Amino acid sequence: NAGVTQTPKFQVLKTGQSMTLQCAQDMNHNSMYWYRQDPGMGLRLIYYSASEGTTDKGEVPNGYNVSRLNKREFSLRLESAAPSQTSVYFCAITTTGRYGYTFGSGTRLTVV
Amino acid sequence: GNSVTQMEGPVTLSEEAFLTINCTYTATGYPSLFWYVQYPGEGLQLLLKATKADDKGSNKGFEATYRKETTSFHLEKGSVQVSDSAVYFCALRSDGSSNTGKLIFGQGTTLQVKP
Repeated sequence: NAGVTQTPKFQVLKTGQSMTLQCAQDMNHNSMYWYRQDPGMGLRLIYYSASEGTTDKGEVPNGYNVSRLNKREFSLRLESAAPSQTSVYFCAITTTGRYGYTFGSGTRLTVV
Repeated sequence: GNSVTQMEGPVTLSEEAFLTINCTYTATGYPSLFWYVQYPGEGLQLLLKATKADDKGSNKGFEATYRKETTSFHLEKGSVQVSDSAVYFCALRSDGSSNTGKLIFGQGTTLQVKP
C-alpha cells in the first residue's frame, strides 16, 4: 500500500467519544476517498474529495465529517462515536482517467 | 444507478483447481472495470483492470474479459494456489459528467484454497 498512510491502525472508542482518522498520500493525486468495510457489504463510500478544497458526501456520510487539509491529507472525524460505526476504514486515492485506486492499509475501529 | 453484483461466497477449492468468480454490472456509459484482492489483515490491492469492451485484464495468472454484451467481468484462474486465498472484489469506475472518479464495489467473494 505504498503511497497512502493511514493512522492509527487500531482504535477502541467508547460510545460518545470523538476521534479523527488520518490519511496522507505522497503520490500527488487530486482525489481522495474514505470507505468503510463491513462484512457482506463490500466497501461503501463515506466522503470524498475530488480536489484540494472540495469535499462531497458519499453513500453513508451520516455521523462523519471530513477535512481536506491540503493536497496530501484527508481526515475523517467521528464527533460522537456509535457502535454502528464499528468497522474497518480505508482511505484511497486516484487521479483523473480510467485508473484504479491506491488504498491505505486500513484502520480497524471498535466502538463499545 | 451504477452497481456491481458478485457471486456469493465463500468459494472453497482444492489446490490446482480452476477458479471462476462471477461479476456483473449495471452502469451508464462506458465504465472501467477492476478486480481487487484483499489478503487477511491488509488493504485492497489492484489485481487487474479493463477499460473498454473486449479488453482482457491479466495479472499473476488471473484473467478477466470486459463483456459489454453480457455486462460481465468474470475473474478466472486456471490453477489456484493456497496463497490465492483472499477476498476478491469486483468494481467499476464510471466518471460520467461529474468526473469524480468514484469506485463502486461488489460485496466481495471469499476464496479459500485447501492443500
